[in-house]
Amino acid sequence: DAKTTQPPSMDCAEGRAANLPCNHSTISGNEYVYWYRQIHSQGPQYIIHGLKNNETNEMASLIITEDRKSSTLILPHATLRDTAVYYCIVRVASLRTGGGNKLTFGTGTQLKVEL
Amino acid sequence: DGGITQSPKYLFRKEGQNVTLSCEQNLNHDAMYWYRQDPGQGLRLIYYSQIVNDFQKGDIAEGYSVSREKKESFPLTVTSAQKNPTAFYLCASSIGGPGTQYFGPGTRLLVL
Repeated sequence: DAKTTQPPSMDCAEGRAANLPCNHSTISGNEYVYWYRQIHSQGPQYIIHGLKNNETNEMASLIITEDRKSSTLILPHATLRDTAVYYCIVRVASLRTGGGNKLTFGTGTQLKVEL
Repeated sequence: DGGITQSPKYLFRKEGQNVTLSCEQNLNHDAMYWYRQDPGQGLRLIYYSQIVNDFQKGDIAEGYSVSREKKESFPLTVTSAQKNPTAFYLCASSIGGPGTQYFGPGTRLLVL
């Protein structure tokens, strides 16, 4: 799986959009970009994933550059409850199960949402 | 409610003791996983199971054992051979294939 690079920390004012960047310059054509977040002392929570096109769901939007070498997770109106570590993960979504679907978590971005 | 449950939330282990962490899911997922997380670090895969009665070692399986006798359950035993067991243990499941993994709330293991 391709490696990812994220800033170690970011701050955001409550109510503003939080834009979290991720570089994955060695991504392969069959690799998806996944985002998870982990609130302190809880299990990781799935947010969104995409391959080429931008994606949006009730939690966030995912913008993937045309060359797919980087992406941005957007939380449109951040709240204090969005304070968490955000992980960008790139992996092959193959037909194999189990280890083929291993998620490789780095150290992520600590997002702090403040009043 | 569908989801993944882990118990207990906190677990204490004495030296030389084996302890078992529970993981149950009612999502009808085929694949289940165990990860370990150390402070300030990402997750590392311990074991995974694609189907009942089958499981495979992950990246750090030494000192751990698992079983998969039922689709819903994937317990992890931390044996006395695991010399540094203090960590946050996370269980996950997925439909299989390219399915998204969903995580339980975790069990924090501490050594007395």
